[in-house]
Amino acid sequence: DAMVIQNPRYQVTQFGKPVTLSCSQTLNHNVMYWYQQKSSQAPKLLFHYYDKDFNNEADTPDNFQSRRPNTSFCFLDIRSPGLGDAAMYLCATSRGGNIQYFGAGTRLSVL
Amino acid sequence: DQQVKQNSPSLSVQEGRISILNCDYTNSMFDYFLWYKKYPAEGPTFLISISSIKDKNEDGRFTVFLNKSAKHLSLHIVPSQPGDSAVYFCAAAGGGTGGGNKLTFGTGTQLKVEL
Repeated sequence: DAMVIQNPRYQVTQFGKPVTLSCSQTLNHNVMYWYQQKSSQAPKLLFHYYDKDFNNEADTPDNFQSRRPNTSFCFLDIRSPGLGDAAMYLCATSRGGNIQYFGAGTRLSVL
Repeated sequence: DQQVKQNSPSLSVQEGRISILNCDYTNSMFDYFLWYKKYPAEGPTFLISISSIKDKNEDGRFTVFLNKSAKHLSLHIVPSQPGDSAVYFCAAAGGGTGGGNKLTFGTGTQLKVEL
């Protein structure tokens, strides 16, 4: 089945220790998105790639970076995680239209 | 500034009855609206959508109604089934830049369908 896969499902890191979250897709979609969702809040878009073009949201902290080495993979790097970065991180893909397809998410804990 | 609002955090409905989930938005640039369904430990799954040129879209037991003048949309589930118990997110698209349409989500409504 074509899908969006996020690894790991659960990630624990230490305060200030860099962490990388991974997303892969077999849908061959050209757009990939990263969202942050905190408890009882709406998913919030951090940034997205349209093909190789990176589009950052204005209020995304510099602490968050992303890489897309090829169509299938996209990474979220958090350079110095703080306690406030503990959240669910959702990856999504689309063909450039409005409907996005989501992975199961990575729940990040910061100790 | 929350542009998409789901004011009911939770809703409880009996099996077989109608479930009505509501969503309000403030941005007039939104021109496409979506509902996503999310089970625990899974990502949101696309359910149904509607373009701003329509006021109703139906897919099986699910119908979405759009009232542009009121900036309000609703999702009707008839009849409700226990498997419909999940969190439902309203999302809106439009006015995006950089290619790839940005979705703005509401905070979700937890639907519980009871036997």
